[in-house]
Amino acid sequence: AQSVAQPEDQVNVAEGNPLTVKCTYSVSGNPYLFWYVQYPNRGLQFLLKYITGDNLVKGSYGFEAEFNKSQTSFHLKKPSALVSDSALYFCAVRVPILTGGGNKLTFGTGTQLKVEL
Amino acid sequence: EAQVTQNPRYLITVTGKKLTVTCSQNMNHEYMSWYRQDPGLGLRQIYYSMNVEVTDKGDVPEGYKVSRKEKRNFPLILESPSPNQTSLYFCASSLFGRLSGANVLTFGAGSRLTVL
Repeated sequence: AQSVAQPEDQVNVAEGNPLTVKCTYSVSGNPYLFWYVQYPNRGLQFLLKYITGDNLVKGSYGFEAEFNKSQTSFHLKKPSALVSDSALYFCAVRVPILTGGGNKLTFGTGTQLKVEL
Repeated sequence: EAQVTQNPRYLITVTGKKLTVTCSQNMNHEYMSWYRQDPGLGLRQIYYSMNVEVTDKGDVPEGYKVSRKEKRNFPLILESPSPNQTSLYFCASSLFGRLSGANVLTFGAGSRLTVL
């Protein structure tokens, strides 16, 4: 069975500092990996995804994520955090039918990011 | 504007009183899905549909029903709600095809349901 772990319930960072939100996964096969963000009272919004190719993926709002196959990780990063980045972040994994998976999208439990002045 | 619309956004009901949460998308997406979000548990899939008249169970289908009579609509039905179904519910949709693994979900704004 596939799974996603977000080991930190909450991450606190000062505005202007770099931020990292961690994600590790467990799958059989080659994964597609996603990050979504949820602002208060809103639905989830897509941030970025890794499908294949360059391990460093750039997404919306200055976020990026690095796929590390050996460590089975897909950590979300931003060089300089903003107060407006404060939100709940979800990592998700899917193994597509094309590579023998069931195409099921599995979400992590979410990490609350708090950026303070 | 491309969107997924859920109604109601907030609902308080009592045990056993049937309710329906509607979901509609205007993007001509084949795939639609319902999730519930609970603290510490993340998002768990309830049901999904790959196209009209094609639905299947997700991870937590007990106590829920769905239907997909039209491509744009995917209502979630709670025939006899219980307090353990108090949760935040999200509908989502995406394209579906051979390369559907890469497709991104578009989420509705959520429906907060309280069952007393």
